[in-house]
Amino acid sequence: GAVVSQHPSWVICKSGTSVKIECRSLDFQATTMFWYRQFPKQSLMLMATSNEGSKATYEQGVEKDKFLINHASLTLSTLTVTSAHPEDSSFYICSASGSYNEQFFGPGTRLTVL
Amino acid sequence: DQQVKQNSPSLSVQEGRISILNCDYTNSMFDYFLWYKKYPAEGPTFLISISSIKDKNEDGRFTVFLNKSAKHLSLHIVPSQPGDSAVYFCAASVSFGNEKLTFGTGTRLTIIP
Repeated sequence: GAVVSQHPSWVICKSGTSVKIECRSLDFQATTMFWYRQFPKQSLMLMATSNEGSKATYEQGVEKDKFLINHASLTLSTLTVTSAHPEDSSFYICSASGSYNEQFFGPGTRLTVL
Repeated sequence: DQQVKQNSPSLSVQEGRISILNCDYTNSMFDYFLWYKKYPAEGPTFLISISSIKDKNEDGRFTVFLNKSAKHLSLHIVPSQPGDSAVYFCAASVSFGNEKLTFGTGTRLTIIP
């Protein structure tokens, strides 16, 4: 199957700082990438959908100015959590979809904001 | 509003027996359903899917059943193996393609050797 990587796999930061998470499709071109967030013992919640070269579409309740998404190429999307606070601590997972319309998930990034 | 529900947070099954994981949904617009397997600190891995035009799909040890009238689907794993121990998520979308997935809350399956 297709491979999707995320970097970093975990990050600890101070409150008020910004954190960037990268999502890469390693062996296919991803026309669409999705960003999810999972709180402990809860479901994966879709945050936003991004298509290469266009603005991301955010789900209701997700602040676009706080969670900046860039999908500048067919193999890379980035999620920047701006001015992170402890309540932003979560497991962030991306997925990528290419020509076969199947979503392949990355391994996730554990964000802890102190 | 949880549109996809997995009412059993955990399930323990003896090795070699059948594991049955259940999922219910409320949105009648969903017409494509997927099951994912997830290990801790990893992303979900696709297992099997089913379109609403079918009521059963089989792939090796995994079979998914869909009951549209009851808005219910289930995943059967037989025979269960220790490597099947993981969290299983069902997910639904309104179409096959680049559409958003709505996930259930997951069921932790433990296979007892």
